[in-house]
Amino acid sequence: GQQVMQIPQYQHVQEGEDFTTYCNSSTTLSNIQWYKQRPGGHPVFLIQLVKSGEVKKQKRLTFQFGEAKKNSSLHITATQTTDVGTYFCAGFRDSSYKLIFGSGTRLLVRP
Amino acid sequence: DVKVTQSSRYLVKRTGEKVFLECVQDMDHENMFWYRQDPGLGLRLIYFSYDVKMKEKGDIPEGYSVSREKKERFSLILESASTNQTSMYLCASSFPVQFPLNEKLFFGSGTQLSVL
Repeated sequence: GQQVMQIPQYQHVQEGEDFTTYCNSSTTLSNIQWYKQRPGGHPVFLIQLVKSGEVKKQKRLTFQFGEAKKNSSLHITATQTTDVGTYFCAGFRDSSYKLIFGSGTRLLVRP
Repeated sequence: DVKVTQSSRYLVKRTGEKVFLECVQDMDHENMFWYRQDPGLGLRLIYFSYDVKMKEKGDIPEGYSVSREKKERFSLILESASTNQTSMYLCASSFPVQFPLNEKLFFGSGTQLSVL
């Protein structure tokens, strides 16, 4: 079945450093969503990308959707301690309600 | 404010017991989902429902069943709990949106189930 892989599994950065997580699918995705899960919390929706090559920004967060719609990335500029958590990408199979999650990247930020 | 409520935050059961996990949403969403979350594996879809009394298998349905008798409630049932079903269980809901868009998921706080 379709798999969505995420790397790295963990990232430990100094506050102020940048962070990037990458998401790769074995098949073409109709769109991709990103979620953030704080420690002890539940996943919360961040953004959705639909178009090939799409780039969206939310303050210090930049999201990209690949030209082939099989990969995506999340880049955080100048991390803060509030960015701590696990970031998940999630993709939909074409014409399906099934949202398939990546394995997540856990971000730790040293103050 | 949007709310998805799971009946228990922590649950401890014995092997072989029948376990019910309840989820209620107050947003009139058609779609409801059950995921389990395990370290290093992300969230894996167990079952989902796009309407009352409708259900579809996700990627790991073995050992589970579901019930959706009312729109707001989606129950996950472990017919005979086993130790490999120890996990965090997350319920979610969403509106259906015309393809290629898909509405975002709203998650409950999760139920940490331990099967001894």
